[in-house]
Amino acid sequence: GESVGLHLPTLSVQEGDNSIINCAYSNSASDYFIWYKQESGKGPQFIIDIRSNMDKRQGQRVTVLLNKTVKHLSLQIAATQPGDSAVYFCAENSGEGFQKLVFGTGTRLLVSP
Amino acid sequence: EPEVTQTPSHQVTQMGQEVILRCVPISNHLYFYWYRQILGQKVEFLVSFYNNEISEKSEIFDDQFSVERPDGSNFTLKIRSTKLEDSAMYFCASSEGGAGKNIQYFGAGTRLSVL
Repeated sequence: GESVGLHLPTLSVQEGDNSIINCAYSNSASDYFIWYKQESGKGPQFIIDIRSNMDKRQGQRVTVLLNKTVKHLSLQIAATQPGDSAVYFCAENSGEGFQKLVFGTGTRLLVSP
Repeated sequence: EPEVTQTPSHQVTQMGQEVILRCVPISNHLYFYWYRQILGQKVEFLVSFYNNEISEKSEIFDDQFSVERPDGSNFTLKIRSTKLEDSAMYFCASSEGGAGKNIQYFGAGTRLSVL
């Protein structure tokens, strides 16, 4: 079946630290993954995506790593800032075309000044 | 920057009443979605819509739910007879489509409270 889960429900870091948020997925047919950030009272905000033919992708201060062997996804945030405090969700797409995203449970990132 | 807009931001209704949640997707997007998030839980897929028809729906999306694109800009979710357990945040999303263009962009959501 399909499931996407997160190891850590809450991650607390100091401002300036690097943060790593992890995600495990179980559907080996998934070929597209997205990280979203959700601030309180807002909708999910796209951060970065990666396709299954890649194992690393970098954005501005963020890096996503994909390990298909162990079905693991991670989001690395460099020089974490208080504005990064939010809930982070990984999501996977295993359907053809542009179908549903299956979201993980979410990890809350708390950044202390 | 283009964004998905949803109205109202908060809808309060009595159990058994019909509600319509409204969304304006990003203008050049072709694929539209509804998701919901019960308080404290993860985001769940409800339905996807393309070319004026449903392309996929979840088991949550039963006969009480329907979607419509009544004109060139709006995308609506109707719940015919609301139940207490329908209380949740409802998010609309849209994507452009095409190779490498299927990032789904989300609106800020409508909080539905069923009393």
